[in-house]
Amino acid sequence: QQQVKQSPQSLIVQKGGISIINCAYENTAFDYFPWYQQFPGKGPALLIAIRPDVSEKKEGRFTISFNKSAKQFSLHIMDSQPGDSATYFCAAKGAGSYQLTFGKGTKLSVIP
Amino acid sequence: EAGVAQSPRYKIIEKRQSVAFWCNPISGHATLYWYQQILGQGPKLLIQFQNNGVVDDSQLPKDRFSAERLKGVDSTLKIQPAKLEDSAVYLCASSRRLSGTTNEKLFFGSGTQLSVL
Repeated sequence: QQQVKQSPQSLIVQKGGISIINCAYENTAFDYFPWYQQFPGKGPALLIAIRPDVSEKKEGRFTISFNKSAKQFSLHIMDSQPGDSATYFCAAKGAGSYQLTFGKGTKLSVIP
Repeated sequence: EAGVAQSPRYKIIEKRQSVAFWCNPISGHATLYWYQQILGQGPKLLIQFQNNGVVDDSQLPKDRFSAERLKGVDSTLKIQPAKLEDSAVYLCASSRRLSGTTNEKLFFGSGTQLSVL
């Protein structure tokens, strides 16, 4: 049972463009939504995270938009750079739960 | 600070053989996690330790997988006997304390890539 659905599976963006990755969840008990970035041969690293009491969180070029009613959240990467080329995972965790549920990942390629 | 250390980096075995992975978390981190990442999928939690006690092992295939964290520091994950479907990257992660009501940041190691032939 996939509790967090992530799309697209892969994404190609030109340098300077905006990359958008979407995630949808079903479990209304989720209350923490992080995004992880993973480079080849490395473990995932926390990029940015949001709680459902806010609709948007921005850190540098990275922004999470959160729509609680639609049970969707998305990652926006502004001014995408070749160094952003990586696999991005959305995840979710329930209140009082210890377990992160990850999406299947989006492979982002930023071309010069 | 030093990151999460894992070894070996790669392992190739034949099915029905046994294999063990080692993890040393960031110093002072109380919580340690083992995740399985199959190619093309997100990490899936196998087991979670708080110090040397198991918090959650509900997704660990206990007929063939075992894990321990003696002395509450480093940990080993063992598979015996291995199956073809165990081919994956095994990631170890740690956090300062148990992530439940608080949202602790997880620090991942680079993983061990296991190929079962």
